[in-house]
Amino acid sequence: EAGVAQSPRYKIIEKRQSVAFWCNPISGHATLYWYQQILGQGPKLLIQFQNNGVVDDSQLPKDRFSAERLKGVDSTLKIQPAKLEDSAVYLCASSPRLAGHSYEQYFGPGTRLTVT
Amino acid sequence: KNQVEQSPQSLIILEGKNCTLQCNYTVSPFSNLRWYKQDTGRGPVSLTIMTFSENTKSNGRYTATLDADTKQSSLHITASQLSDSASYICVVSPGVGSGTYKYIFGTGTRLKVLA
Repeated sequence: EAGVAQSPRYKIIEKRQSVAFWCNPISGHATLYWYQQILGQGPKLLIQFQNNGVVDDSQLPKDRFSAERLKGVDSTLKIQPAKLEDSAVYLCASSPRLAGHSYEQYFGPGTRLTVT
Repeated sequence: KNQVEQSPQSLIILEGKNCTLQCNYTVSPFSNLRWYKQDTGRGPVSLTIMTFSENTKSNGRYTATLDADTKQSSLHITASQLSDSASYICVVSPGVGSGTYKYIFGTGTRLKVLA
């Protein structure tokens, strides 16, 4: 079974520029998550999709971050404009169902963003 | 408040030695608890998963224990290898009635195994 795919793996941009990340979850997984992981910390949930609907985006900085999951499969996360504090690894994960059940959550390799 | 705390923050051991990582949580009720290994530059990979009724689970040299009464879990690594150098993250999946459906992540323990 193919894993969660993410691209790009690395991105360096200047502050105030825009950037987009792409995620392709495991086939058939209904739930997709975007996490932000700052160096030395655990992942922080940014947004959670169930199929193509948003379940939770309470920690997404909506003035600069946006995400979509068209057709309930692939997803993109965009930052516009970027700030220095956005430097982090952005992880995408998918699972067959919502958390709270004994379903495994599978992570992609992440995109390391550096904002200079 | 639903929280997961891990200790120590970092740990350095010599190759071949054993070590134990700790995870304390306040999530209640909870559905399951997972330990993940995260190599540098990679996404987390699941090592073990335990439901509230299980008190131990092994995966090779990794053994996780769970005490649901004291809300504590530990991950024991036996005969450490250089490839065990990574961050280990404890994640609790909340159960119905906990007030949330989100996975609750600990901040991780960074393990370094030296030759």
